[in-house]
Amino acid sequence: DAGVIQSPRHEVTEMGQEVTLRCKPISGHDYLFWYRQTMMRGLELLIYFNNNVPIDDSGMPEDRFSAKMPNASFSTLKIQPSEPRDSAVYFCASSPYSGGSTDTQYFGPGTRLTVL
Amino acid sequence: QKEVEQNSGPLSVPEGAIASLNCTYSDRGSQSFFWYRQYSGKSPELIMFIYSNGDKEDGRFTAQLNKASQYVSLLIRDSQPSDSATYLCAVRNSNYQLIWGAGTKLIIKP
Repeated sequence: DAGVIQSPRHEVTEMGQEVTLRCKPISGHDYLFWYRQTMMRGLELLIYFNNNVPIDDSGMPEDRFSAKMPNASFSTLKIQPSEPRDSAVYFCASSPYSGGSTDTQYFGPGTRLTVL
Repeated sequence: QKEVEQNSGPLSVPEGAIASLNCTYSDRGSQSFFWYRQYSGKSPELIMFIYSNGDKEDGRFTAQLNKASQYVSLLIRDSQPSDSATYLCAVRNSNYQLIWGAGTKLIIKP
C-alpha cells in the first residue's frame, strides 16, 4: 500500500487567499484525521471522520476552516480566507477500526503551509 | 494540567547508552499507549504501543506501563545517532480519543 497521500507537500500563499489541502487515506481504513503541528502548540487534532462522516470538529480553530470527506478515498481541508497564523504543517492520518484500543494512526507526509 | 505530559528536552544521551523517555497522563480510564518517533521535517511514525501493565520489548525498544502511577516510558538501548528525533507519547483515553503529548527531543551524541 502507498500509505497516506497528501498534496500539495508545500504551499505558499498570501493572506486572504483560499487554501485547499488534500488527503487520500490508506484503503480500507475507517477513520481519517486532520492535524496541525506548530512549534508552539505541538500536534493538534482539528477534525476526524468515521466512514466519511465528521465525528468531532471541536478542534477546528474557527469558521475559516472546513473539511469534507466526499468518499472513502478522499478528504479536503480548506482554509478561507487564510491568515499568517495558519502557517503550520498539516497532517492527515488514517486508522483502521478493529474494535480494540490499539488501532494505530498512520500519518501522511504532511503539507507545509506558509501564509505571507 | 495537560492530559498527556512529556518533558520537552532536549535529552542528550551518549551513543551506546540507554535513553529513557517518560510520559504521564491524567485520565485513569486510558486504555492504550503509543510511542511515535518524528524526525525533523517528517511525519510521526509508530514505534510501538502497550496496553498492559509491565514491559513490552521490541528490538532495542522497551515500553513500560504503570497504570497505578499513570506513567508510561520508552527505553532505547544501545542508542544510535539515528535515534535522534522527537518522541511523541499518545494516549487513548476513555472516550477512545488519542491524546498527544508535546514530545521529547532526543539527541544522541556520537
